[in-house]
Amino acid sequence: SQQGEEDPQALSIQEGENATMNCSYKTSINNLQWYRQNSGRGLVHLILIRSNEREKHSGRLRVTLDTSKKSSSLLITASRAADTASYFCATAGVSGNTPLVFGKGTRLSVIA
Amino acid sequence: GAGVSQSPSNKVTEKGKDVELRCDPISGHTALYWYRQRLGQGLEFLIYFQGNSAPDKSGLPSDRFSAERTGESVSTLTIQRTQQEDSAVYLCASSQGLHTGELFFGEGSRLTVL
Repeated sequence: SQQGEEDPQALSIQEGENATMNCSYKTSINNLQWYRQNSGRGLVHLILIRSNEREKHSGRLRVTLDTSKKSSSLLITASRAADTASYFCATAGVSGNTPLVFGKGTRLSVIA
Repeated sequence: GAGVSQSPSNKVTEKGKDVELRCDPISGHTALYWYRQRLGQGLEFLIYFQGNSAPDKSGLPSDRFSAERTGESVSTLTIQRTQQEDSAVYLCASSQGLHTGELFFGEGSRLTVL
């Protein structure tokens, strides 16, 4: 299985601080994606990073990918209370024959 | 439609009853996925459709679960003889390409089996 595993399971920070979440996976990937889920809602795609990319930015989000360590990190800068949600990484297999596999997620709480 | 639509949003049923969950994907998306999410957990893959075909049904938890898709649009997930362990949020997602691109999720159907 190439399931992503997020770390930490839960994170609590003050508004304005940066939040870093990590994801590790087991096998080669085509790309890695990060999703956000507000409580009781569906998942929303945040960012996709391909296996030949090392870093990607989108607004306050910064994603890194280290294929040699089979790991990725999601950094949210200058966090806001509205960033409170669960964040999931998902991996797409290199063969393109298997669906995205999601990790168990990191629950982020941003305290105002 | 503008987004992925799922119905019902909430379903409470008694153990042993059958339930049908419906998913309307984004128009033109050929790939459609069903995932299950238990409370506080990650997403468990159930089944995907490429067009109307479901090449891999191995993610379905038991033979009480089945799914179909017609007209490359609407999909239904049916759970027969529901058990308490079936209680979860069932999430549907669609995408333009198969397996590698962004997934667009619905809001989910929350199933509670009493």
